[in-house]
Amino acid sequence: EVQLVESGGGLVQPGGSLRLSCAASGFTFNNYWMNWVRQAPNKGLEWVASVKQDGSEMYYVDSVKGRFTISRDNAMNSVYLQMSRLRVEDTAVYYCARGGTPYWGQGTLVTVSS
Amino acid sequence: QSALTQPPSVSGALGQRVTISCTGSSSNIGAGYDGHWYQQFPGTSPKFIMYGNGNRPSGVPDRFSASKSGTSASLVITGLQAEDEADYYCQSYDSKLSGWVFGGGTRLTVL
Repeated sequence: EVQLVESGGGLVQPGGSLRLSCAASGFTFNNYWMNWVRQAPNKGLEWVASVKQDGSEMYYVDSVKGRFTISRDNAMNSVYLQMSRLRVEDTAVYYCARGGTPYWGQGTLVTVSS
Repeated sequence: QSALTQPPSVSGALGQRVTISCTGSSSNIGAGYDGHWYQQFPGTSPKFIMYGNGNRPSGVPDRFSASKSGTSASLVITGLQAEDEADYYCQSYDSKLSGWVFGGGTRLTVL
């Protein structure tokens, strides 16, 4: 069974940093692109970042470029999202999602507030 | 503004058929990239109910179907049930963004 489990969310002040993790199981992790998607409170879904199977390519939505970094560790079957210079508008539930047949995790809440 | 356009809401009576449209462009759906559909209940994570060219994961009833034509995709639900009341999102890949794009979501109300 495919499972994606996010962790690392929490409350952080504007300008702060946070690192999200996603542990994957139930599939051959290094065969798939991995993604982060977020959903602000009572809003729709927004793709945040993607990383290629071998970690050689990363892509970001414009609003997080230069502030967020996606990475993966295929030995640990994990994908990460390092978030820095956080803004109030980054407040959202962050989901880890697999490429191909699109399995998603349950999400982790990031709240940016003073 | 979402890259994919969905109606904000649709409604239908129990047992009826509804269609949710998703309009994209030549850099996403129109370029031949797969479309996926998600169902989301309040307070829960989105769950994919259709993926690729109209594939249904196990557990999703065959009342749900999907199609694609040109730059648009559609989700069709027949024999509406009360438990179908939820938010529905379409998603594709966009070659200009090199990433995923979503529709703004459609709230389905079962009357």
